Amino acid sequence: QVQLQQWGAGLLTPSETLSLTCAVSGGSFRGYYWSWIRQSPGKGLEWIGEIDHSGGTYYNPSLKSRVSISLEMSRTQFLLKVTSVTAADTAVYYCARRERDAAAGWYFALWGRGTLVSVSS
Amino acid sequence: EIVLTQSPGTLSLSPGEGATLSCRASQTVSSNYLAWYQQKPGQAPRLLIYGASTRATDIPDRFSGGGSGTDFTLSIIRLEPEDFAVYYCQQYGRSPYAFGQGTKLEIK
Repeated sequence: QVQLQQWGAGLLTPSETLSLTCAVSGGSFRGYYWSWIRQSPGKGLEWIGEIDHSGGTYYNPSLKSRVSISLEMSRTQFLLKVTSVTAADTAVYYCARRERDAAAGWYFALWGRGTLVSVSS
Repeated sequence: EIVLTQSPGTLSLSPGEGATLSCRASQTVSSNYLAWYQQKPGQAPRLLIYGASTRATDIPDRFSGGGSGTDFTLSIIRLEPEDFAVYYCQQYGRSPYAFGQGTKLEIK
């Protein structure tokens, strides 16, 4: 059974870089999109961006200037980096897998458990 | 960018009753690529419905999704105690993939 396990630093100070990793166990990278989503009390659920198995990236315009997503194919992991964080980046961050249904398109089928990241001085 | 508005904000019902949750989009959702999630405190969202009406794996048939275009609904018949949670809709037809603000289903 495919699982997503995620980890990263949980406490940052303003201006630092947020870095999270999501590991895919029991499955392959190929044929899916790999996303990051965050949830904060102020903004609710927000899609951050995603990467496909060949390394193509797609970002939410609201965060594009500060976000990068990359793959580590050899370790079946994908990474999220958000630069110059502020208190507004405090949220639970989820990794997720999008898979394709012939009729229902590319839906978010599988989610990680989430990582709480707090930004405070 | 598509904005999703869910109503009501809070729904108070008793176990055994039925619930209808609404999700309205600011623009047509491409190919009705609309999903519903259930979230309980401290947990990740759990996929219930995708493609507006297809139940995800292991989701009981008490849950059903409907609608098209800009207006979608999630219906739950015969509410069980474990159904009381927050429910979100999401459109995944056009990037950025937006979520609604949620409907809290609480025990009356």
